[in-house]
Formats: sequence, structure tokens, C-alpha cells
Amino acid sequence: DTEVTQTPKHLVMGMTNKKSLKCEQHMGHRAMYWYKQKAKKPPELMFVYSYEKLSINESVPSRFSPECPNSSLLNLHLHALQPEDSALYLCASSPGDRITDTQYFGPGTRLTVL
Amino acid sequence: AQTVTQSQPEMSVQEAETVTLSCTYDTSESNYYLFWYKQPPSRQMILVIRQEAYKQQNATENRFSVNFQKAAKSFSLKISDSQLGDTAMYFCAFVYGQNFVFGPGTRLSVLP
Repeated sequence: DTEVTQTPKHLVMGMTNKKSLKCEQHMGHRAMYWYKQKAKKPPELMFVYSYEKLSINESVPSRFSPECPNSSLLNLHLHALQPEDSALYLCASSPGDRITDTQYFGPGTRLTVL
Repeated sequence: AQTVTQSQPEMSVQEAETVTLSCTYDTSESNYYLFWYKQPPSRQMILVIRQEAYKQQNATENRFSVNFQKAAKSFSLKISDSQLGDTAMYFCAFVYGQNFVFGPGTRLSVLP
């Protein structure tokens, strides 16, 4: 298995909802990443997990809560989001534990907050 | 803070021709990494090429090659024999320590 999968592909939620995004990889990679990408903009790094521990948090609001239950799975829990949080959320993984390694991206979850 | 600039928001090239995408960056560091990533329409982002700053030799990957000018802080991507499948958004990225910065991107269209 040489890919990163993300579910769901699309998600629509209200500002009072709680939802989660899921990312999986079975390549034995040691680091996993969450990015936010607004339309026609580059991805912005949100979180990095290295060996299942949070190593980078780019000052992301607490309404986004990452979780790494094991080395293959990365979740992003969403609560009380705002319409401006609507974006494509990308997950990536890398073989090593440094962000200088090549990253392998998933297809993304397109999130719409109403 | 490091910044990455891609001065060409959009470009087009005829199939089989060669095109060069520009990228400049600003840093005071000497040991960093540079990447070109490609994001095709509605498809996953994939690595095109990776360059370590301490290596003088320009990286190449099949039809893709870079011109890395460290003193000028320039990292351009050359695509030879352009193919329709090269149509995509191309992002230049700078990585140092825990900093990962993408440039604004260049939208490349390969025309038949």
C-alpha cells in the first residue's frame, strides 16, 4: 500500500457541530502532517506528528484538535468552526521524522462550514 | 522569517516544448532544503524534485531538472518535453528546521 487515504472526501457542517477528519497510511512512515489549503492558495502547515507525538503546532486555534492514536492513523477533530475555516484539508506522511523528508499527500477533505 | 516568491502566477506551454518556472526565496540560513511539488487539478499533490542546499549538483528527475543558484537564492524548475499530464499547480517550498513554507504557486497549462 503506497498511498495516503483521507475520509470523508467532502464534509459539510454547522458551526455548532463536532466532526472528525481521518487520515491513514500503511507505508510505515514515522511522521504525519495536517495542512489547510484555501482556494487558489498554497497549503499551510497546521500540525506535525513525529513518532505519534505532536512535534509542531503552528499556532492553530483550539477548535482544531489533532490526535494520533497509532503510527498509521491521524485524526483532526473539529468543534465550533467558523465559515472561514472552510477549506481543503490535506494530510501527508513522510518516511523519516523530519519535515525535510519527502512528503506523500492524500487527496484531501473538502470542508464547508455553514 | 523565510519567504518564497513565485513571480509567474500562470504560464502556458505547447506540448513537447520546454518551460521554466521561477522560484526565489529569502533566508539567512545556509543548510536548508528546497522542493517542487505538483498539484494536478482534483488530484493529489506529489513531489517533483528535492534539493539539499549543501549539494552543489542540480537535482534532476527524468524530464524535470532544477537550476539551483544558492548565492542568488534562486531555484527554478525546467520541464522538458512537456506533456498534457504536466498541467498542474506547481509549488516551490523552502524547509529549514521546523519551518515549511510554500510559495504562492504557478499554474501551468500544457496546450495540445
